[in-house]
Amino acid sequence: EIVLTQSPGTLSLSPGERATLSCRASQSVSSSYLAWYQQKPGQAPRLLMYGASSRATGIPDRFSGSGSRTDFTLTISRLEPEDFAVYYCQQHGSSPLTFGGGTKVEIK
Amino acid sequence: EVQLVESGGGLVQPGRSLRLSCAASGFTFDDYAMHWVRQAPGKSLEWVSGINWKSADMGYADSVKGRFTISRDNAKNSLYLQMNSLRADDTALYYCAKSFSSGYYARFDYWGQGTLVTVSS
Repeated sequence: EIVLTQSPGTLSLSPGERATLSCRASQSVSSSYLAWYQQKPGQAPRLLMYGASSRATGIPDRFSGSGSRTDFTLTISRLEPEDFAVYYCQQHGSSPLTFGGGTKVEIK
Repeated sequence: EVQLVESGGGLVQPGRSLRLSCAASGFTFDDYAMHWVRQAPGKSLEWVSGINWKSADMGYADSVKGRFTISRDNAKNSLYLQMNSLRADDTALYYCAKSFSSGYYARFDYWGQGTLVTVSS
């Protein structure tokens, strides 16, 4: 099983600041099979990024993704009020499909 | 508009069974793989099971293997999860999610709102 470790657990930032979220895999993951999801309180997760660096439909360009093999990063260039949420990475290239533990981006 | 509506959750005693359903609309259901994902209160997401478009390939998390069975009825645009021998640690919000492709090794592009399963005596 591929274990995904996200860090930090919580990120306290102000609107307008840059957020950098990390996702580290216990084994190499093809970037084609690395996705990021955003979840707000009381809502279902929403697909944010796929293929490590491609934005899903309707996702603004302040969101970007990068990385390869075991180290992946989600960056939010300038935080908007609606970006404060929990973010999960996922690998869907091998079974069992796995998610990271999440990073909560909270308002400082 | 893609819609996924889960149902069938509720309070159940340990050791009993429950069957979840997911009604899909707004897309050609039998072209896509489907999944169940759960989230225990205050916890992360956990993939439970996936099934490809024609039910030829299915996968399960180790935590549910042998107890849960995923199935689909393409004629009814519906996904199911039969859950047997339920345990307290199966308590979670269960989401139905659509795969981006016909195989289940793909990102999840749409999610339902979930149905809550509580296992308690």
